[in-house]
Amino acid sequence: EPEVTQTPSHQVTQMGQEVILRCVPISNHLYFYWYRQILGQKVEFLVSFYNNEISEKSEIFDDQFSVERPDGSNFTLKIRSTKLEDSAMYFCASSPRSGGLLSYEQYFGPGTRLTVT
Amino acid sequence: AQTVTQSQPEMSVQEAETVTLSCTYDTSESNYYLFWYKQPPSRQMILVIRQEAYKQQNATENRFSVNFQKAAKSFSLKISDSQLGDTAMYFCAFMKHDRRFNNNDMRFGAGTRLTVKP
Repeated sequence: EPEVTQTPSHQVTQMGQEVILRCVPISNHLYFYWYRQILGQKVEFLVSFYNNEISEKSEIFDDQFSVERPDGSNFTLKIRSTKLEDSAMYFCASSPRSGGLLSYEQYFGPGTRLTVT
Repeated sequence: AQTVTQSQPEMSVQEAETVTLSCTYDTSESNYYLFWYKQPPSRQMILVIRQEAYKQQNATENRFSVNFQKAAKSFSLKISDSQLGDTAMYFCAFMKHDRRFNNNDMRFGAGTRLTVKP
């Protein structure tokens, strides 16, 4: 069964450094998302991406964050200058084209644990 | 803005028994989708069950079923014949239907930590 993959599984970085989190969505999906989960808290939406542009973003997704789909398979989240409070689990998700309930289902990757020291 | 509330931070159940997890939400939308996700210690997010708001019939998936009360904005999850492998964090999630984008962000509740005891 196809699945969303994310790399790395764990990233440790120093405050102020740039990090890029990588995701490979399911191949025929068209909608892509990033979520984050600070330890012990709920999952929070960051950004959605469709047709090579951001379709929606939350107040968390400020100028320090950017997303890109550099080729036909990868979907990346970049944090330009990491802060301690960026430490969290980051989940990528994708969903297929519209049409029926199953198209709204978001398939989550296993997550990348980001630790900022 | 949509909010999702899970009022039970923690619950426990004996193996083979039934447990119900509560979820309420607040929205002015008429068309939306509701989901329950399971997050085991591995922290992978696994879809358990889904429900379309326009469908009155409650969704079921094997041992998992929901009680969807649209007027009350309630979406509880019932787990029958609980198994040790059901031990996990359970998140209720809401997603509105937006014709412009067809897909939208998912709003999650704070989660309920379920422990199944042998």
